[in-house]
Amino acid sequence: KQEVTQIPAALSVPEGENLVLNCSFTDSAIYNLQWFRQDPGKGLTSLLLIQSSQREQTSGRLNASLDKSSGRSTLYIAASQPGDSATYLCALANAGGTSYGKLTFGQGTILTVHP
Amino acid sequence: DAGVIQSPRHEVTEMGQEVTLRCKPISGHDYLFWYRQTMMRGLELLIYFNNNVPIDDSGMPEDRFSAKMPNASFSTLKIQPSEPRDSAVYFCASSPGYPDTQYFGPGTRLTVL
Repeated sequence: KQEVTQIPAALSVPEGENLVLNCSFTDSAIYNLQWFRQDPGKGLTSLLLIQSSQREQTSGRLNASLDKSSGRSTLYIAASQPGDSATYLCALANAGGTSYGKLTFGQGTILTVHP
Repeated sequence: DAGVIQSPRHEVTEMGQEVTLRCKPISGHDYLFWYRQTMMRGLELLIYFNNNVPIDDSGMPEDRFSAKMPNASFSTLKIQPSEPRDSAVYFCASSPGYPDTQYFGPGTRLTVL
């Protein structure tokens, strides 16, 4: 059974810092990996999706990498802003068997960027 | 597009009552998902549909839970009878393909007293 772990559970940084959020997973048989953002009391917003054949994806100040061999993904946020404060979740779409395509979520990292 | 629409946003009910959550997916999306989020268990997939047909309901916790999708623009998740341990945020999501980016609604916060 796929297990997804996100470290750290919470992170507080001053505005302007570059930061890295980590996601590790136990089963490398994945179809894709997604990073989501969740604001308090709201739904999830997809930030980046990396296919299993890709190594990274970039969108603006965000860069996500994927290393299936080591079971790791990172989300890099450059020049953080207070508006980046949210919970960030990674989710893996399983590649095979009865779980094909189903998303397994990590518990999330709560990010606070203070002015 | 208005995105995925869920109603109600908040629901408070008493144990034993029937609860119905509603979802309108993004037009043109063939897949619809129901998730539950709790502090203890995180986000869990309950059931998903393809072209209005339930594909996998293995995440539905008990027979008290049922989901329907009578047409491409509407789905319901029903809990009957409700119990305090059903208290959670229930999300609906839709996607144009599978596996593909999923678009989440704002969620329904359910409290069962």
